[in-house]
Amino acid sequence: QKEVEQDPGPLSVPEGAIVSLNCTYSNSAFQYFMWYRQYSRKGPELLMYTYSSGNKEDGRFTAQVDKSSKYISLFIRDSQPSDSATYLCAMSDLGSNYQLIWGAGTKLIIKP
Amino acid sequence: DADVTQTPRNRITKTGKRIMLECSQTKGHDRMYWYRQDPGLGLRLIYYSFDVKDINKGEISDGYSVSRQAQAKFSLSLESAIPNQTALYFCATSAPGGGGELFFGEGSRLTVL
Repeated sequence: QKEVEQDPGPLSVPEGAIVSLNCTYSNSAFQYFMWYRQYSRKGPELLMYTYSSGNKEDGRFTAQVDKSSKYISLFIRDSQPSDSATYLCAMSDLGSNYQLIWGAGTKLIIKP
Repeated sequence: DADVTQTPRNRITKTGKRIMLECSQTKGHDRMYWYRQDPGLGLRLIYYSFDVKDINKGEISDGYSVSRQAQAKFSLSLESAIPNQTALYFCATSAPGGGGELFFGEGSRLTVL
């Protein structure tokens, strides 16, 4: 079993829909949780960063961390075709010197 | 100009050839990484370096070597390329602490025939 599980998709939704992307993990020591967005033929770029549990909002994006369930989510409101990309979750802990453990990435397609 | 620059962006080579992928950065970060990305497998760490004198193996270092020529330069070598090393390779940098946020280059697509 992988340390971080993420459904690879693809997930296809109509423009304007609310999108929910998720990852589960097994290591309870993880404290730092990130979502990266990767456009085709580009490197990943950091989208959202959360420390420990709780929610974080940035514009149309909301990241949630539920450490009791070992589950993180990324919500995208009012999705746009420009949101079409692969979304990768990543997490780390102080004990591993912040080495990131990655999900496989979910390919998201927003249909106009 | 990009903060993290990889060369070449695309390379096609034959089995048995030696290949070098180069990475340079202007972010001033001490930490540099090489990852490979394969469909369905996500990003896997090959090697990482926390400073010029520090080189560490990652999850999948067999068949690869690295050289940290300077704080800003980190190169990845495939001594004798094989077809299952066909992949997209990324260089990344990070600052110490901060939870491990990485800054990536645009990738080097390598095809081994």
